[in-house]
Amino acid sequence: DADVTQTPRNRITKTGKRIMLECSQTKGHDRMYWYRQDPGLGLRLIYYSFDVKDINKGEISDGYSVSRQAQAKFSLSLESAIPNQTALYFCATSDLTLEQFFGPGTRLTVL
Amino acid sequence: AQSVAQPEDQVNVAEGNPLTVKCTYSVSGNPYLFWYVQYPNRGLQFLLKYITGDNLVKGSYGFEAEFNKSQTSFHLKKPSALVSDSALYFCAVRFTDKLIFGTGTRLQVFP
Repeated sequence: DADVTQTPRNRITKTGKRIMLECSQTKGHDRMYWYRQDPGLGLRLIYYSFDVKDINKGEISDGYSVSRQAQAKFSLSLESAIPNQTALYFCATSDLTLEQFFGPGTRLTVL
Repeated sequence: AQSVAQPEDQVNVAEGNPLTVKCTYSVSGNPYLFWYVQYPNRGLQFLLKYITGDNLVKGSYGFEAEFNKSQTSFHLKKPSALVSDSALYFCAVRFTDKLIFGTGTRLQVFP
């Protein structure tokens, strides 16, 4: 999914560290999303944004924050990482039908 | 409450046989329904969607899905499975301006 890129692809960090995951898109979409994926739980929405001035909490926003720096960029931060934030994180964009386009994911491990 | 259920954690099928991956939903109003596939170490890829019109929707890689309003179902099907279809499949339904994802079904196609 070259239209949506995520950095880093893998990250190992320690409890208490601040971490930022970055997402960029060339789809030209206004809508962007951050999800986390855990085995058996599917995808859960962390935050979403409909434009640069619009940020909304998803179902599991506690412990996370986001920044929409531009239409094409949406970053996710863990202010003080904890082990249960170990997961696979996905960024996505969508068109008006909500068909979503996903990035390749960031595998985050918090020790 | 709005929800999506994928009742099978795993579906096993022999190559060449037809496959079905089940999905039921609960959402008010007319549903927008989606299927995504996730291959190992990749992001989710869009397969198909139902918004309105014909209840049988055709998508990528020979997959199709049948919308059944009375049974609130949107099962994914393929007439003849390939080993390369082995992956994790997610059903999703639109709710307001978000997608609600099911927990995923792992499809294993045996040679």
